[in-house]
Amino acid sequence: KQEVTQIPAALSVPEGENLVLNCSFTDSAIYNLQWFRQDPGKGLTSLLLIQSSQREQTSGRLNASLDKSSGRSTLYIAASQPGDSATYLCAVPGSSNTGKLIFGQGTTLQVKP
Amino acid sequence: DTGVSQNPRHKITKRGQNVTFRCDPISEHNRLYWYRQTLGQGPEFLTYFQNEAQLEKSRLLSDRFSAERPKGSFSTLEIQRTEQGDSAMYLCASSLMGVGNEQFFGPGTRLTVL
Repeated sequence: KQEVTQIPAALSVPEGENLVLNCSFTDSAIYNLQWFRQDPGKGLTSLLLIQSSQREQTSGRLNASLDKSSGRSTLYIAASQPGDSATYLCAVPGSSNTGKLIFGQGTTLQVKP
Repeated sequence: DTGVSQNPRHKITKRGQNVTFRCDPISEHNRLYWYRQTLGQGPEFLTYFQNEAQLEKSRLLSDRFSAERPKGSFSTLEIQRTEQGDSAMYLCASSLMGVGNEQFFGPGTRLTVL
């Protein structure tokens, strides 16, 4: 059974810092991994999708890496801003047929001005 | 492309009442998912449609829950005889099979059962 863990559960940093969020999964037989952002009381916004054949994916100040063999992914945020404050969730497919996602519990990030 | 929409955004109901939520996916997406999220947790899968066929249901989906996607477009999720434990955010997502299956989420419906 696939399980996803995110560490740390919460993180507070001063504006301008570079930071790394971690995601680990127990079953390495995944075909992709998705990172999301969620603002309080809102839905999820897709940030990055990494296919199993890729090692990393970049979008602006965000860079996500994937190491299937070790069951780990990281989300790197460069030059953090107060507007980056949100909960970040990673998710992997629970099976190859349906694509239903198994989520971690998220990392809540606060960037202080 | 207007994204995934959900209605209502908020619903407050009394225990024992029935509620129905609607999800309109991105127009060309053939897959539609329902998830439930409680405070401080990641979303949990409830059910999934490919076109109009409901292909998988989670054990979380008790017999009080029913979902439909009658013409392979919008979907409804009904909860009968609501209980306080049903209070949660109900999220809908859609994707296009075969294109990485990247899922796009709606804003959610926040249900409060009094």
